[in-house]
Amino acid sequence: DTGVSQDPRHKITKRGQNVTFRCDPISEHNRLYWYRQTLGQGPEFLTYFQNEAQLEKSRLLSDRFSAERPKGSFSTLEIQRTEQGDSAMYLCASSLARRLTGEGNEKLFFGSGTQLSVL
Amino acid sequence: SQQGEEDPQALSIQEGENATMNCSYKTSINNLQWYRQNSGRGLVHLILIRSNEREKHSGRLRVTLDTSKKSSSLLITASRAADTASYFCATENSSYKLIFGSGTRLLVRP
Repeated sequence: DTGVSQDPRHKITKRGQNVTFRCDPISEHNRLYWYRQTLGQGPEFLTYFQNEAQLEKSRLLSDRFSAERPKGSFSTLEIQRTEQGDSAMYLCASSLARRLTGEGNEKLFFGSGTQLSVL
Repeated sequence: SQQGEEDPQALSIQEGENATMNCSYKTSINNLQWYRQNSGRGLVHLILIRSNEREKHSGRLRVTLDTSKKSSSLLITASRAADTASYFCATENSSYKLIFGSGTRLLVRP
């Protein structure tokens, strides 16, 4: 157990439905990342937050995807009008940046992921 | 898009042998990290090497970094069956985004 929890672990939905995933990072971590991973591939960057600010969003992410991190604590990732191509493992990770002025991350702590299946 | 490319894509060795995995990347980095993933699980951090470092050790792990060649290697010595997993390199760029490669699937045969 890394201390990062994701809910739900599994989600099965029908095409066109909206889904929302939640991530609870390690409490003192100021950075939170979302990744997507398909079978046999490495994690693909989606977006990341420093505290409550969303600092970067992948250009690969369509407008159907939105993420929030209110109050800089937990985060949610919503996918609207799901498509079969959205089926993947959605991973959340958190880290503690050494200094807010821009030091690099220490290691990322990953949750166990949410496996999404769109039928 | 992936920045790192691991080589080989798959590796099968006998228990007790050493395993070497390589990673190449394209742009300048703050640091390079290696992660391990067991099937269907989240990733676990193994080791981090900063751009001004050339070699780092942690237990049975040895990582090297050559920034002039934009490459890194991970050596696992005296492998065990429990080392069977996928291994990913990840590079942190100037915007603190961590980009992962496509991974090496390691099988250690008992």
